[in-house]
Amino acid sequence: SQQGEEDPQALSIQEGENATMNCSYKTSINNLQWYRQNSGRGLVHLILIRSNEREKHSGRLRVTLDTSKKSSSLLITASRAADTASYFCATIGRGYQKVTFGTGTKLQVIP
Amino acid sequence: NAGVTQTPKFQVLKTGQSMTLQCAQDMNHEYMSWYRQDPGMGLRLIHYSVGAGITDQGEVPNGYNVSRSTTEDFPLRLLSAAPSQTSVYFCASHGAGAGSYEQYFGPGTRLTVT
Repeated sequence: SQQGEEDPQALSIQEGENATMNCSYKTSINNLQWYRQNSGRGLVHLILIRSNEREKHSGRLRVTLDTSKKSSSLLITASRAADTASYFCATIGRGYQKVTFGTGTKLQVIP
Repeated sequence: NAGVTQTPKFQVLKTGQSMTLQCAQDMNHEYMSWYRQDPGMGLRLIHYSVGAGITDQGEVPNGYNVSRSTTEDFPLRLLSAAPSQTSVYFCASHGAGAGSYEQYFGPGTRLTVT
């Protein structure tokens, strides 16, 4: 089974609204990352948060991490139509070796 | 830098045929991985490598072989293709230094097995 599970599976919002996606994982991690995938393309790295960090910002992105609950959230503020994509969380375990991905959230931003 | 390259982009196989999906990276990354992506399943790890000569299994390794003879190349072999292997395959790499865990992905290979 996969390490991460994203919630919701799909999200549709109006342009300008905020979008929040959640990720839960199963085992101890070294860090957690979020990726974006436009339809039919490879994944692109967005942001990384380490296990000893609780919150991180990058532009319109805000990521939180709660290791006690084994969960993370990705907030995209002031969404744009160009943010329409699938978003995946990925975890690296303590051995720094395997990178495993969640099932993804499909975000649609309506102009 | 070309980053991570994959060939072919598209492939159609008949059941029972074998083939090799090629992956190469020019960033001197130690870690390389193969994933498959099926609708609604996200990415599932097939095999990964932590350096030349070292490989290990991921979540769904059955029916696939890998080898890592050089740092740059990480080919994925389908031994006897089955319709269940119809999927999009992504190769990825990342470095091993502090903070170098960002994965770089290739453009993918879309495989259909009939």
